[in-house]
Amino acid sequence: EAQVTQNPRYLITVTGKKLTVTCSQNMNHEYMSWYRQDPGLGLRQIYYSMNVEVTDKGDVPEGYKVSRKEKRNFPLILESPSPNQTSLYFCASSLRISGTSTDTQYFGPGTRLTVL
Amino acid sequence: AQSVTQLGSHVSVSEGALVLLRCNYSSSVPPYLFWYVQYPNQGLQLLLKYTTGATLVKGINGFEAEFKKSETSFHLTKPSAHMSDAAEYFCAVSDGSGTYKYIFGTGTRLKVLA
Repeated sequence: EAQVTQNPRYLITVTGKKLTVTCSQNMNHEYMSWYRQDPGLGLRQIYYSMNVEVTDKGDVPEGYKVSRKEKRNFPLILESPSPNQTSLYFCASSLRISGTSTDTQYFGPGTRLTVL
Repeated sequence: AQSVTQLGSHVSVSEGALVLLRCNYSSSVPPYLFWYVQYPNQGLQLLLKYTTGATLVKGINGFEAEFKKSETSFHLTKPSAHMSDAAEYFCAVSDGSGTYKYIFGTGTRLKVLA
């Protein structure tokens, strides 16, 4: 089954304790992206990747890191989480980049992170 | 910079009534426009998209949207609401300026009244 998977689905942690949220897709997609969803703010893009070893900042990258060493995986790293990073996080992937734009994105089920 | 504005964070309609969710965008280049739906405790899934060609786009579950360049709008409609349509809807634009960003609106929560 074609899908985007995220782990863990739920995570409660404390301020300053490094964590990684994994994202994997089995559709051979080039484009992958991370978003956070907060009430009243919709989805905001954190980082995206156009291909292996190619990443760029979205609108809210502060406090986050990413890497794209393999096409299928795009982990999100919080090296020193803070309470304002408490949010619902989504990973997404896209089949291809059309011209200078991205195509339909397929979303993972989300990771609910709480930082105490 | 591109942006998306969704008018109305909450919309209520009666079952069987017309659904109209508004989306306006700003873009200096021809945009790719999308509507996504999010059911409770789930991820987002695509309803429909506009890239090029026909400006009236039909999607899943009876939804459609019309790209109006002169009005910079991409409103989502459905002739007759069903209880199962209750969800949050997001309009999004793909940045066509070469930065590959993807910009979402703040969402509209649709409530369907029996």
